[in-house]
Amino acid sequence: DGGITQSPKYLFRKEGQNVTLSCEQNLNHDAMYWYRQDPGQGLRLIYYSQIVNDFQKGDIAEGYSVSREKKESFPLTVTSAQKNPTAFYLCASSLGGKETQYFGPGTRLLVL
Amino acid sequence: KNQVEQSPQSLIILEGKNCTLQCNYTVSPFSNLRWYKQDTGRGPVSLTIMTFSENTKSNGRYTATLDADTKQSSLHITASQLSDSASYICVVRMKTSYDKVIFGPGTSLSVIP
Repeated sequence: DGGITQSPKYLFRKEGQNVTLSCEQNLNHDAMYWYRQDPGQGLRLIYYSQIVNDFQKGDIAEGYSVSREKKESFPLTVTSAQKNPTAFYLCASSLGGKETQYFGPGTRLLVL
Repeated sequence: KNQVEQSPQSLIILEGKNCTLQCNYTVSPFSNLRWYKQDTGRGPVSLTIMTFSENTKSNGRYTATLDADTKQSSLHITASQLSDSASYICVVRMKTSYDKVIFGPGTSLSVIP
């Protein structure tokens, strides 16, 4: 069953805590992306990776970190430096940087 | 500034009726425009994609139009169904070295019986 998966579906973070969101794809896509979605706003790019072991900051990278050690996986860590982390986080992948992006089901992060 | 705007912000229509959603953009240089459907709590799914030379593209009951001169696009939904209730997002890709993608805020459509 091919696709892109994200876990968990819901995640709760305490003040000062780092949390990691998982994103896995078995589509053999080279490029992967992390977006943040807030009510009434368009998706905003946090980080993207066009190839394994390489990634670049998007428009709102502050307070986030990523790694791309495997082609299939692109985890996102929301650090304590991100002061307003409550949002819906979407991971996407594409065959290449110019190709159609396929999205995962999303993770909703809430701050306790 | 490269932006994508959508109208209306939200829309409620009766099942079986038609509706049209609007997208205006100021993105340049333009590569393509795509409409996504996003069900509540789910990731967006691509409906149509149009390049500069394409004026219209259909996908079942969804028909998208593009006027590259006025930088406007519309998504027309025919004979709406309850399952059409979702957010519809207009996305414009820039023709740059990375091909930056800019998302509109979406139009929330509710189809009621």
